[in-house]
Amino acid sequence: GAVVSQHPSRVICKSGTSVKIECRSLDFQATTMFWYRQFPKKSLMLMATSNEGSKATYEQGVEKDKFLINHASLTLSTLTVTSAHPEDSSFYICSAAGTRIGYNEQFFGPGTRLTVL
Amino acid sequence: DAKTTQPTSMDCAEGRAANLPCNHSTISGNEYVYWYRQIHSQGPQYIIHGLKNNETNEMASLIITEDRKSSTLILPHATLRDTAVYYCIVRERNNNFNKFYFGSGTKLNVKP
Repeated sequence: GAVVSQHPSRVICKSGTSVKIECRSLDFQATTMFWYRQFPKKSLMLMATSNEGSKATYEQGVEKDKFLINHASLTLSTLTVTSAHPEDSSFYICSAAGTRIGYNEQFFGPGTRLTVL
Repeated sequence: DAKTTQPTSMDCAEGRAANLPCNHSTISGNEYVYWYRQIHSQGPQYIIHGLKNNETNEMASLIITEDRKSSTLILPHATLRDTAVYYCIVRERNNNFNKFYFGSGTKLNVKP
């Protein structure tokens, strides 16, 4: 399968600061990337969909000014958590999608653990 | 929203087959069923997907009922490393791309 990386894998920050998380597709071009968040012992919740070169589409209830998404190239998307607060502490996972053999798959990154103090 | 329901947890003995059910009674004719699994604190891993025919790969088999309202993921010889949360997902279509909405999944506990 295709490889998706995330950086950093773990980050601790102070309340009020902004944190940027990178998602890269290493061996394929990702026309679309997705961002999820996951609370402990809960399922993944889709936050937003980003297409290369265009604005992200956010799911209902997700603050677009809080979670800034940039998808500047076919291999890189970034999620910036602005003015982070303790309630933003979560596991953030990205996925990248590309087309092969006539169907679409999503390949997931390893996740980023954000802790806001 | 997720269109699937799965049991919260299941146990399986090591070396035996693990059969994980999923209900997706409102699935549309052009929607696929995907299965992913998530080992603790990692990103989900793709297992298999299908439309209406049964599918098999090196990891698992997927059995989809004729009416497509339910499916079963089969791990033929479960190992301890198969302990994970297994998600059954119906891929929804939209204008941008095919989003995945995860349900609560099934925690599979493989026991020695």
